[in-house]
Amino acid sequence: KAGVTQTPRYLIKTRGQQVTLSCSPISGHRSVSWYQQTPGQGLQFLFEYFSETQRNKGNFPGRFSGRQFSNSRSEMNVSTLELGDSALYLCASSWAGTLTDTQYFGPGTRLTVL
Amino acid sequence: DAKTTQPPSMDCAEGRAANLPCNHSTISGNEYVYWYRQIHSQGPQYIIHGLKNNETNEMASLIITEDRKSSTLILPHATLRDTAVYYCIVRTPLEAAGNKLTFGGGTRVLVKP
Repeated sequence: KAGVTQTPRYLIKTRGQQVTLSCSPISGHRSVSWYQQTPGQGLQFLFEYFSETQRNKGNFPGRFSGRQFSNSRSEMNVSTLELGDSALYLCASSWAGTLTDTQYFGPGTRLTVL
Repeated sequence: DAKTTQPPSMDCAEGRAANLPCNHSTISGNEYVYWYRQIHSQGPQYIIHGLKNNETNEMASLIITEDRKSSTLILPHATLRDTAVYYCIVRTPLEAAGNKLTFGGGTRVLVKP
């Protein structure tokens, strides 16, 4: 079974631009979560989508948004990029998001904001 | 949220068992302990999880104390490829509804030849 895939793997943008990252979950998985990882803050939860609905959201500004499609693929968007948005963005998928449901992570998208 | 405490780093000799401790003294009865690891710049990799019984899979063993206030992840025969940051995570029911994992600082494990 193929794992979680994320595209693109690397991205360079300039301040003020916007960016869209894509995540394809493991086949059959309906929950997709997004995380941001920076050296200073570590791994932080952004939001989770289940059946095309945002089910949970972390403590990030409204510039960070996402969506999920009917095939469970998900995108996240960051508008008006700031230098501090440079990070590794990870997505994770699981079947339904229950307590014993294991999340599997993709390789991440490395975003650099200049 | 139940918090976890892990040593920031530890070294291990190749071929020997690596024992990674985690303290979760405020864990509730219905919260699970999960372990993930992250090899440099890759996505976190699921290792194992448990509630109160000891668990073993092809990667590792998880030993949870009877009072559930701490646990130990055991890598039975550490290899150089096990060098990574290991995260101990407690999953709470409320978080499970939103499928959120709360990562701490983890333990940076260096396996030496």
